[in-house]
Amino acid sequence: GENVEQHPSTLSVQEGDSAVIKCTYSDSASNYFPWYKQELGKRPQLIIDIRSNVGEKKDQRIAVTLNKTAKHFSLHITETQPEDSAVYFCAASIQDNFNKFYFGSGTKLNVKP
Amino acid sequence: DAGITQSPRYKITETGRQVTLMCHQTWSHSYMFWYRQDLGHGLRLIYYSAAADITDKGEVPDGYVVSRSKTENFPLTLESATRSQTSVYFCASSETTGELFFGEGSRLTVL
Repeated sequence: GENVEQHPSTLSVQEGDSAVIKCTYSDSASNYFPWYKQELGKRPQLIIDIRSNVGEKKDQRIAVTLNKTAKHFSLHITETQPEDSAVYFCAASIQDNFNKFYFGSGTKLNVKP
Repeated sequence: DAGITQSPRYKITETGRQVTLMCHQTWSHSYMFWYRQDLGHGLRLIYYSAAADITDKGEVPDGYVVSRSKTENFPLTLESATRSQTSVYFCASSETTGELFFGEGSRLTVL
C-alpha cells in the first residue's frame, strides 16, 4: 500500500515568517494530495489540495507544490499568524474505485507572536 | 445539514468488552472510512467502504469489525477491546473524487 512520510514533526516559527512542510509518497498511482489542518480537540479540515496534473496551487497565504517525478509535495504558508498554529497532515489518494486516503504522521506548527 | 456525526463522543470501557462506535452521514457519499489517531502515528486507516455491503481492510484492521448495510451508516465494532485500542477514532466520508470529510471524533479509553 501507499506510504506517506512527513517532515518535520514539529515546526516553530515567528509570526510573519514562512513555514514549509514536506511529504513524500511511495505509490506513483496516487493522483490526489490534500492537506488537512487540525486544531486542538477538533476534526481535521481540508485547507488546500492538488491533483497530479498540476504542479502548484495557491490560495491566499497557502500554497502547495507537487513534484511527481520525485514523488514529493510540500505545503507553504507565508506571513504566518498565531491562528495558523495547529497540526497539519498531508495525504495521498488514488481517486478511483478504491478511494483510500493515506496520511502522513503530522506536523505540529507553532507560530510565536 | 448535519453532515457526518459520530457517537458516542467519549467512551470508557474495560478490556475484553465489546464496543461499537457509530457513524452517520447525510450526504449520501459513496465512500466511508474509519481512522484511528495516535500521537506520533497520524491518522491510520482501519477499514473503508466503497458502497453499501462493500468493505475492505485498511492499514490496521486487526481487532475491528465493520458493516455497511445502509449507505449512510458505517459502524465500527471492537469485538474484545484491548488497551492498545485506546485512541481517538475518526469516521470520514467522501465522494468518488475530492475532499474527505471527517466526523468530530470518538475518544475511546480502554482500562
